[in-house]
Amino acid sequence: DSGVTQTPKHLITATGQRVTLRCSPRSGDLSVYWYQQSLDQGLQFLIQYYNGEERAKGNILERFSAQQFPDLHSELNLSSLELGDSALYFCASSAPFGQGPLMNTEAFFGQGTRLTVV
Amino acid sequence: GQQVMQIPQYQHVQEGEDFTTYCNSSTTLSNIQWYKQRPGGHPVFLIQLVKSGEVKKQKRLTFQFGEAKKNSSLHITATQTTDVGTYFCAGSNYKLTFGKGTLLTVNP
Repeated sequence: DSGVTQTPKHLITATGQRVTLRCSPRSGDLSVYWYQQSLDQGLQFLIQYYNGEERAKGNILERFSAQQFPDLHSELNLSSLELGDSALYFCASSAPFGQGPLMNTEAFFGQGTRLTVV
Repeated sequence: GQQVMQIPQYQHVQEGEDFTTYCNSSTTLSNIQWYKQRPGGHPVFLIQLVKSGEVKKQKRLTFQFGEAKKNSSLHITATQTTDVGTYFCAGSNYKLTFGKGTLLTVNP
């Protein structure tokens, strides 16, 4: 058990709908990352938050948004869903930076949310 | 933007053979991390390399960080069936950017 909790584990929804994925980081971790994993696409970085603020952005679609709340849990909102959004969405968390602002420490991944858009 | 390339994409070996996966970044990295994802599982951290030219070993696994801090490799000696999974490198420079991974399968 990594200590990172993601809910729900599975989600099936129709095209055009909106869903919210939730992530609770490990106790004490300030950074939260969101990744999308599709077949043959590896782990696509979506967005990173650090202590409530957006820190880095990847190839996140405009239909997607995220936030990190004061209690450090994070939500990823996916709207106007398309078939191609079907994927495994991972949340990961890591401890405060050890050696400077560019240093990401070990990331702990949740079990993921498998989203199926039909 | 930062890109991390990893080769090969797939590698099938006989049990007992060695295995190597290579990682290259388009930019100089602060550090590089390696993860393993078992089939149906989530990525699990293996190691982090920080210094130029750093080499670290974990039992049969040897990790290397290039002198220019733009490339890295993971070498597994005498593979076992328990080594099956996808090995990812992840480059760190603000973002934690993952390569596409190398899927290792081992024939017993």
